[in-house]
Amino acid sequence: DTGVSQNPRHKITKRGQNVTFRCDPISEHNRLYWYRQTLGQGPEFLTYFQNEAQLEKSRLLSDRFSAERPKGSFSTLEIQRTEQGDSAMYLCASSLAVQGWGYTFGSGTRLTVV
Amino acid sequence: DAKTTQPNSMESNEEEPVHLPCNHSTISGTDYIHWYRQLPSQGPEYVIHGLTSNVNNRMASLAIAEDRKSSTLILHRATLRDAAVYYCILRDALLNTGTASKLTFGTGTRLQVTL
Repeated sequence: DTGVSQNPRHKITKRGQNVTFRCDPISEHNRLYWYRQTLGQGPEFLTYFQNEAQLEKSRLLSDRFSAERPKGSFSTLEIQRTEQGDSAMYLCASSLAVQGWGYTFGSGTRLTVV
Repeated sequence: DAKTTQPNSMESNEEEPVHLPCNHSTISGTDYIHWYRQLPSQGPEYVIHGLTSNVNNRMASLAIAEDRKSSTLILHRATLRDAAVYYCILRDALLNTGTASKLTFGTGTRLQVTL
């Protein structure tokens, strides 16, 4: 297993455009998380899935953001009508739903909105 | 979520031990103490976690105070590759609640390692 894979690694988009990021978790992990990180800050929780069910969404996740995990495998995070404030690193992590189990993070997708 | 307090930055010489402190005075009885680190341009990486007893693994040791209100991550011999931001995070052991499943990161301690 090669760990958690995120694509693309970098994305530059114009304000108002839609973007979609993909995360491929470790195959046996049933939990998948999305985080956002801006410069100098720790990652902020956005949402998480257990299998295909989205179980929690942060208030940070405005209605322009949507995440899916069809069939409980890979996940996509879409941002519609991007704004400059959406510029950040978007991190995906996966885990087993086992007490104390650690997260495995991907390397992230860096989004720049110009 | 219970809060943790860490110094903003620390420095260490290569090959020397490093003790990274974390205060968590409001920790509850079911909170695990987790440590992650984030190298430049990478996602966070799991380091170690514990509940009450001290823990050792190949990366580090975790020393937990008897009252559990503080803990210390110990890197036994720092190398340049250990330069990273280290996050101390409390995570509720109760699996089935949404709040308990996520990690809440602070701003961490930036560790600089010099020759």
